Amino acid sequence: GQNIDQPTEMTATEGAIVQINCTYQTSGFNGLFWYQQHAGEAPTFLSYNVLDGLEEKGRFSSFLSRSKGYSYLLLKELQMKDSASYLCAVRDSGYALNFGKGTSLLVTP
Amino acid sequence: IAGITQAPTSQILAAGRRMTLRCTQDMRHNAMYWYRQDLGLGLRLIHYSNTAGTTGKGEVPDGYSVSRANTDDFPLTLASAVPSQTSVYFCASSDREFNEQFFGPGTRLTVL
Repeated sequence: GQNIDQPTEMTATEGAIVQINCTYQTSGFNGLFWYQQHAGEAPTFLSYNVLDGLEEKGRFSSFLSRSKGYSYLLLKELQMKDSASYLCAVRDSGYALNFGKGTSLLVTP
Repeated sequence: IAGITQAPTSQILAAGRRMTLRCTQDMRHNAMYWYRQDLGLGLRLIHYSNTAGTTGKGEVPDGYSVSRANTDDFPLTLASAVPSQTSVYFCASSDREFNEQFFGPGTRLTVL
C-alpha cells in the first residue's frame, strides 16, 4: 500500500524560509515529485528527486533520503504568490503517481 | 494548442446520467492519467494508460471507464453518475523519456 504524509497547513512570513516535509511508505520507489497548486488551478511541476540529496532550482530546493522515506521542499525568500498548496507525490512503478493530501501554505505580509 | 485540454470546464449532472469527460494532449506523450481531487483527500488516480491501446486501474476506478484509441485522446466515462462522483477531475500526461506529469485545467463535475 501507499502512505504519504505531509502537514495539512503551514503559515510563513513574506521574505522568510519555509520547509515542507513529506514522509512516505510505498511498495516501491521510482522517484519523488513536488507540485504546486494554486486555488482553482491545475498542479504544476516543481521538482523531482530520484537519488539522495538536494536539488536546487532558484528559490526552491528539494531534498530526498530514500533510506528514511523522507523528503522536504524548501522555499526561500517567500513571496505572497507562493501561497498555494504543495503536493508531494511518489512514483512506485510504472508512470502513475501517488499523491499526499497536500500542504496548504499561507504567506503573510 | 499546446499542452492538455479538457472539456467541459464544468458540468452539473443529474444522478443516473451518463457523462464523458474529454481530454486531449498534443505533446505526443505516451502515458495519460485521470485523477479526481476532493477536499481533504488530495489527488487520487482513477485510471491510467501507459501507451495507446492499453489502460489500467488506479486507486479509485469503480464507476468509471476509459479508452485509449490513439495517442492524443483519453476520455473518461461515468456510465451512471452518482453524487459521490462530485469532484474536480484532472487529466495528465507524461512522456516515457521524462518524469514530469503535465496536468490539464480540470473539469468541475457536480452530480445532483
